[in-house]
Amino acid sequence: QKEVEQDPGPLSVPEGAIVSLNCTYSNSAFQYFMWYRQYSRKGPELLMYTYSSGNKEDGRFTAQVDKSSKYISLFIRDSQPSDSATYLCAMNQAGFGGYQKVTFGIGTKLQVIP
Amino acid sequence: NAGVTQTPKFQVLKTGQSMTLQCAQDMNHEYMSWYRQDPGMGLRLIHYSVGAGITDQGEVPNGYNVSRSTTEDFPLRLLSAAPSQTSVYFCASSSVEQGISPLHFGNGTRLTVT
Repeated sequence: QKEVEQDPGPLSVPEGAIVSLNCTYSNSAFQYFMWYRQYSRKGPELLMYTYSSGNKEDGRFTAQVDKSSKYISLFIRDSQPSDSATYLCAMNQAGFGGYQKVTFGIGTKLQVIP
Repeated sequence: NAGVTQTPKFQVLKTGQSMTLQCAQDMNHEYMSWYRQDPGMGLRLIHYSVGAGITDQGEVPNGYNVSRSTTEDFPLRLLSAAPSQTSVYFCASSSVEQGISPLHFGNGTRLTVT
């Protein structure tokens, strides 16, 4: 069993829809939770991060962490065609600063149709 | 502001050949790392470095060597290429700070070994 599980999709939604992307994990030591966005033929770029449990909002994006269920989510409101990309969840343990020994999900491919 | 630069963008090798993938960053980041990205496997850490002269193995180090003689550069060497090393390789860097520091990725080298 992988430490981080993520549905690869693809997920296809109409423009303006609310998108929900999710990951589950098995390592209870994970403390930093991140979402990276990767456009085709590009490297991943950090979209959002949270430390421990709770919610974090940034514009149209909301990240949620439920440590009791070992479940993290990314919500995209009013989705746009420019949101079409692969979304990677990522996580690591406290003390590793969000960059060392990061475990990534396989990514969910999202397509927003105009 | 170049960020993380990887060269070449594409490479085709024959089995048994060796080559070096180049990575340079201009952000004065202490931490640098190499990942490979394969369908269904996600990003997997090959090697990493926390500073000049210091390197360590990641999850999938076999068949690869690294060295870090300067802060800016972190080349990845394939000693004797195998078809299993066909992949997209990403270099990533990060500053070493308190709290969370995201990974900054290059745009990848697409390697095919025939």
